[in-house]
Amino acid sequence: AQTVTQSQPEMSVQEAETVTLSCTYDTSESDYYLFWYKQPPSRQMILVIRQEAYKQQNATENRFSVNFQKAAKSFSLKISDSQLGDAAMYFCAYRSVSGTASKLTFGTGTRLQVTL
Amino acid sequence: DARVTQTPRHKVTEMGQEVTMRCQPILGHNTVFWYRQTMMQGLELLAYFRNRAPLDDSGMPKDRFSAEMPDATLATLKIQPSEPRDSAVYFCASGLGLSNQPQHFGDGTRLSIL
Repeated sequence: AQTVTQSQPEMSVQEAETVTLSCTYDTSESDYYLFWYKQPPSRQMILVIRQEAYKQQNATENRFSVNFQKAAKSFSLKISDSQLGDAAMYFCAYRSVSGTASKLTFGTGTRLQVTL
Repeated sequence: DARVTQTPRHKVTEMGQEVTMRCQPILGHNTVFWYRQTMMQGLELLAYFRNRAPLDDSGMPKDRFSAEMPDATLATLKIQPSEPRDSAVYFCASGLGLSNQPQHFGDGTRLSIL
């Protein structure tokens, strides 16, 4: 079974600065998908970014980018030019491509605080 | 924007009562997932459907939980009888059934069992 580990329960960043959230995972599969979801206090789960394991190029979405290290099974999220609206819980998630296993396996989350 | 709709948004009831949570997936999505979020366990999958057929409900306590999709526009999660340990936020998500496509989440139902 796959597992996802987020070792930072809480992180803090100043507005306009850059922060990196860590995520590692364990799998025996060679192909899979990785996601970062954001959950603000409103409780919504919002997709931030996704990465296909077969792609070497790191995904980027505006101020959000990932550092995907397949051999190390690491998938960190970098937020540049942090904004107050970035304050939320961030969840890393793994999704298999095989068979019917299309469920998401989530990490325990990192709470990001953004300070002035 | 198309959205997954969950009702009710909040539910408070006494233990022993039946609870039904509803989900309207995004039109055209053929997979539906039920997740439960608690402080202790985080986000865990309870059950999911593809083309209305249950594919995996191994995360769900079978004695009291049941999940159904009576039609393509409605998924239900029922707890009977409810217990205080069922208190959590229950999320429904829908998707296109392809692994590279993201799941879209509803706003969740916050359930409190007294």
